[in-house]
Amino acid sequence: EIVMTQSPATLSVSPGERATLSCRASQSVSSNLAWYQQKPGQAPRLLIYGASTRATGIPARFSGSGSGTEFTLTISSLQSEDFAVYYCQQSNNWPPITFGQGTRLEIK
Amino acid sequence: EVQLVESGGGLVQPGGSLRLSCAASGFTFSTYWMSWVRQAPGKGLEWVANTKQDGTEKYYIDSVKGRFTISRDNAKTSLYLQMNSLRAEDTAVYYCASYYYDGSTGYTRGFDYWGQGTLVTVSS
Repeated sequence: EIVMTQSPATLSVSPGERATLSCRASQSVSSNLAWYQQKPGQAPRLLIYGASTRATGIPARFSGSGSGTEFTLTISSLQSEDFAVYYCQQSNNWPPITFGQGTRLEIK
Repeated sequence: EVQLVESGGGLVQPGGSLRLSCAASGFTFSTYWMSWVRQAPGKGLEWVANTKQDGTEKYYIDSVKGRFTISRDNAKTSLYLQMNSLRAEDTAVYYCASYYYDGSTGYTRGFDYWGQGTLVTVSS
């Protein structure tokens, strides 16, 4: 099973600033890495797939990078609606499909 | 507009059974792998099961193998999860999600559409 580890667990950032979230895989997942955003009481929403491709309707301030075992989600200028929990997920070697434990992005 | 609407959740005693349903619309259901993903209260996301477009391949997380069965009806554009021998640790919101996956190339877009979830509580 591929273990996904996200850091930090909680990130405090001011609106308008840049946020950088990290995700590490226990073995290579190539570029088969996705990022999701989840707000309280809502279902997750796909942001990024293929490590760097934005899903339909996702603003350009969201960008993903990385391959192999190290990945980054960057939000270039935080808006109020961006404060949420973010999950990475691999599907390079499954089953099982595995998620990271999440990073909570909170307002500083 | 894509819609995935889950139903069937509720309170059940340990050892009991429950059947979840997911009604899909707004996309070509028969061309997608479909999945169940769960989230225990206050916890992260956990993939539970996947089924191929025609239902001929099914995969499960180890903790539910032999207890849960995923199935689909493409004519009704519906996904199901039969859950037997339920345990307290199965308590979670269960999400139905579409999973774009090309088995011949390994290309995937992840879980691109999600339902709103249905809560399953296993407790005496």
